[in-house]
Amino acid sequence: VLTQSPGTLSLSPGETATLSCTTSQNVNTDHLGWYQQKPGQAPRLLIYSTFHRPPGITDKFSGSGSGTDFSLTIRSLEPEDFAVYYCQLFGSSPLFSFGPGTKVDVK
Amino acid sequence: HVQLQESGPGLVKPSETLSLTCSVSGDSITDYCWSWIRQPPGKGLEWIGHRHCNGRNDYNPSLKGRVTVSIDTSKNLFSLRLTSVTAADTAVYYCATYKVTASGTVFDYWGPGTPVTVAS
Repeated sequence: VLTQSPGTLSLSPGETATLSCTTSQNVNTDHLGWYQQKPGQAPRLLIYSTFHRPPGITDKFSGSGSGTDFSLTIRSLEPEDFAVYYCQLFGSSPLFSFGPGTKVDVK
Repeated sequence: HVQLQESGPGLVKPSETLSLTCSVSGDSITDYCWSWIRQPPGKGLEWIGHRHCNGRNDYNPSLKGRVTVSIDTSKNLFSLRLTSVTAADTAVYYCATYKVTASGTVFDYWGPGTPVTVAS
């Protein structure tokens, strides 16, 4: 089971967002990723294996964590960063699972 | 890189079977491993089923045996079949994938999604 907090994060452009994802048991850091989803769009992969960015993802997005506690940090928020963010776990039951999401909106 | 496009009926009646396809272009379907994921209106993401790169399938236990995923390599199509649908199956359905050489734990590529409404 994945939980994400807060449910909604209200911030101003230029601020830094820190999103939390907690798992119900210790997980392999290779098995945790993060996605961004904007209205009407498919999710976009931001972070894989807790720390790593796919090609084309700016270093303003960074991931960290271990054990049961993981975080996504978004530095210097820009208008296009206001979206919903999901963490995703591999290897439990079900095989792939998603957290409920954190909405980052404009304060 | 690989491109995905889901297609389906849009509207399905309760108790009927939903069939969706994901058309793959830009690369060989056999070089990737495949999942279906859905998102009910205003809600989060739910993984449905997965076709592993080795040909084995895995399904979400919450769907209680109603799901089948399959691949047609001759047509570069990835398919979903969901039986005995109810209003709770109303959602946007996404196909998603990662390359066989990738980490295999997250989805690098997603289709735009196809909306499905279950109603009489």
